[in-house]
Amino acid sequence: VQLEESGPGLVKPSETLSLTCSVSGAFISSYFWSWVRQPPGKGLEWIGYISDSGDTVYNPSLKSRVTILVEKATNQFSLELRSVTSADTAVYYCASTIVGATVEYFEHWGQGTLVAAPS
Amino acid sequence: SSELTQDPTVSVALGQTVRITCQGDNLRSYHASWYQQRPGQAPVLVVFGRNDRPSGIPDRFSGSTSGDTAALTISGAQADDEADYYCSSRNRIGDHFVFGAGTRVTVL
Repeated sequence: VQLEESGPGLVKPSETLSLTCSVSGAFISSYFWSWVRQPPGKGLEWIGYISDSGDTVYNPSLKSRVTILVEKATNQFSLELRSVTSADTAVYYCASTIVGATVEYFEHWGQGTLVAAPS
Repeated sequence: SSELTQDPTVSVALGQTVRITCQGDNLRSYHASWYQQRPGQAPVLVVFGRNDRPSGIPDRFSGSTSGDTAALTISGAQADDEADYYCSSRNRIGDHFVFGAGTRVTVL
């Protein structure tokens, strides 16, 4: 399974960050899919996931600004983050996600894409 | 602050064993997963579940849990193991995922 993020590397403050993750080697309907971000020099932050049936769960700290969608026809899923500020500057990763009763993990990761929202 | 607590740094002599811990109440209910991140690279899953490794991950990486603390052990550390290691699991009430702040492992 391979994942590749794409989208603008620069977003103006107050505008919307939009990224796409292209999946190869697996059907988009076979997994859950997550977005994870990492500000420069800092740790990982989970943004949210979309299930194989299209249900979404978001990080409460970002929930009011985030939408994750799946496009089965193109085997892609997307991230939309509204009203960005400089605090949203980060490397954004997409990842396949195993969700279970007690065993859960992020199995495959994209290489990441840096999105800057300069103040 | 994260709901999963990790030591910021740890060092290990080449060929020796190092244990990286991750503490959180939620670990009594959910297994932790562990990720290795080398500088400038994406995270890589190294251990998940009770003590499972994806294909291609050396068996010197192992996982364990006792109470509210999960541990990743590297037995016979190699220079190539120098990286940041993150644990992940559910938050305290189980409604979303969280990561620990990460542990930087230095191989001396």
